[in-house]
Amino acid sequence: DIQMTQSPSSLSASVGDRVTITCRASQSISSYLNWYQQKPGKAPNLLIYAASSLQSGVPSRFSGSGSGTDFTLTISSLQPEDFATYYCQQSYSTPPLFGGGTKVEIK
Amino acid sequence: EVQLVQSGAEVKKPGESLKISCKGSGYSFTSYWIGWVRQMPGKGLEWMGIIYPGDSDTRYSPSFQGQVTISADKSISTAYLQWSSLKASDTAMYYCARPTDSSSFGAFGIWGQGTMVTVSS
Repeated sequence: DIQMTQSPSSLSASVGDRVTITCRASQSISSYLNWYQQKPGKAPNLLIYAASSLQSGVPSRFSGSGSGTDFTLTISSLQPEDFATYYCQQSYSTPPLFGGGTKVEIK
Repeated sequence: EVQLVQSGAEVKKPGESLKISCKGSGYSFTSYWIGWVRQMPGKGLEWMGIIYPGDSDTRYSPSFQGQVTISADKSISTAYLQWSSLKASDTAMYYCARPTDSSSFGAFGIWGQGTMVTVSS
């Protein structure tokens, strides 16, 4: 199985901050990397697919980059509604495992 | 509107069986994979397995192979996740989800609302 490691596991930030979350795959997954946002008590929501493609309806302050084994999710200016947990997921091979998550909290 | 609607919360005892459902609407049910994701209380997302309702091709994560059964009834556009003998450790929220792309089981763009399963004596 391809393991996905996210860092940090949590972070504190203020509204307006630029936030970066990283995800590393245990082997190359090309650009088969997705990012999700999950708020408490809600189902996850797809933000980015194929490493850098913005899902329809997702604000442009979210962006993704990377290929191979190292990937990044960036929130350019953190908004109050962005406080949530973020997960990466590889979709290169079965099983398409998720990373452990990054909880973004209010500073 | 494309949506997945899951069955309601369940409270069961250890050793009991259970089958939860996920009904798709607003799209061609037989043309997209449907997957299941577990989230234990306070924990992260775990990919369990996926089924292609068109031909019932099913893939499981090794962690869940033999522990659950995934099936689908295309005549009623419904996918299922089933246990034959529940354990307390099966207590979790279970989500069904559909990929954005009909040709793969990659990114899950559509999610059900989740079914909470509680197993307790």
